[in-house]
Amino acid sequence: AQSVTQLGSHVSVSEGALVLLRCNYSSSVPPYLFWYVQYPNQGLQLLLKYTTGATLVKGINGFEAEFKKSETSFHLTKPSAHMSDAAEYFCAVSEPAGGSYIPTFGRGTSLIVHP
Amino acid sequence: EPEVTQTPSHQVTQMGQEVILRCVPISNHLYFYWYRQILGQKVEFLVSFYNNEISEKSEIFDDQFSVERPDGSNFTLKIRSTKLEDSAMYFCASRRDRSNEQYFGPGTRLTVT
Repeated sequence: AQSVTQLGSHVSVSEGALVLLRCNYSSSVPPYLFWYVQYPNQGLQLLLKYTTGATLVKGINGFEAEFKKSETSFHLTKPSAHMSDAAEYFCAVSEPAGGSYIPTFGRGTSLIVHP
Repeated sequence: EPEVTQTPSHQVTQMGQEVILRCVPISNHLYFYWYRQILGQKVEFLVSFYNNEISEKSEIFDDQFSVERPDGSNFTLKIRSTKLEDSAMYFCASRRDRSNEQYFGPGTRLTVT
């Protein structure tokens, strides 16, 4: 069965600093991996996803993530944080190869951006 | 841009009462989902719905829960007799087909007192 661990329920960065949100997954088959963002009072919005192919995935708002099979990781990064990036971020995994398209979510990481 | 909508945004109910949470998925989508998030915990899958029937459900989705697509646009989650532990944010999602991304609604915050 798939699972996701997000290290750190809160991450605090200064505006302009590097953003790094960590995600490790467990999957018995090749996974699909996702990062979602949730702004206050809004639904989850897909930032980026990895299915197959290139392991470095670029998403919206300048975010990217790299699938590292050897480390079972899919960390989210952004070179320079904006105040508008403050939100809740969720990593998720699904196992289409195993017949499951339903994503399993992590607990979420709250990104705080200081001026 | 089309979006998933949910009503109400916040519902307060007393323990033992029935509640119905409503969702309007994106119009050309065929797969529909409910998730919940208890405060401070993970987003958890409840149920998926396709072709007018439940296609998958989690162990959370017990007999007190039911889903329905009463017309061509709405998708509802009914909780028959609410418990304190049902207090959570409930998200609806839809997608065009299984391999596409899911689009989430803004959620309904359910508070059971």
